Amino acid sequence: KAGVTQTPRYLIKTRGQQVTLSCSPISGHRSVSWYQQTPGQGLQFLFEYFSETQRNKGNFPGRFSGRQFSNSRSEMNVSTLELGDSALYLCASSPDGTGYGYTFGSGTRLTVV
Amino acid sequence: DQQVKQNSPSLSVQEGRISILNCDYTNSMFDYFLWYKKYPAEGPTFLISISSIKDKNEDGRFTVFLNKSAKHLSLHIVPSQPGDSAVYFCAASEGQAGTALIFGKGTTLSVSS
Repeated sequence: KAGVTQTPRYLIKTRGQQVTLSCSPISGHRSVSWYQQTPGQGLQFLFEYFSETQRNKGNFPGRFSGRQFSNSRSEMNVSTLELGDSALYLCASSPDGTGYGYTFGSGTRLTVV
Repeated sequence: DQQVKQNSPSLSVQEGRISILNCDYTNSMFDYFLWYKKYPAEGPTFLISISSIKDKNEDGRFTVFLNKSAKHLSLHIVPSQPGDSAVYFCAASEGQAGTALIFGKGTTLSVSS
């Protein structure tokens, strides 16, 4: 069965711009989570959506937001990009959002210049 | 404050020998632990997990040990193979729906032939 699909794979943006990343979960999975990976901080939790509702949010500024659609596809948006937002953004889906069944996508590499 | 710590950033092992990767945690509410393997430019791939009601779980060459009193877990790979060279992340969750996976910063394993 198809895995978690993230688009685009690579993105270069200018400081101050905004960006939208997309994630299509495994079919039947209703939970989508987003993580940011940077060399210094490792993988950090951004937020989790289940049935179009945000259930949990990590410790990131309000510039980071997301949403989930009725087909479970999710998008995350970062506004007013900063150089420090350069990272690999990973999406993970699971059937119900517990830790037991997370499957990760390959990520979107965002570079802010 | 890090709730999941992998104190060894790197580990080098010869092919055929045992690799032992360690992980410590501070949150006593964690009840599920996972190990992920990650290659560059790819998302983390699930390796093995253990519930807090167990102290050992095996899957082929991979065994995870959990010492709840010490809040410590370890991943043993026997025998190590060059293809095991990757970054290994320890993660923990409280098992409730919607809770985040809390990751350690990873250990880079290099297996030489």
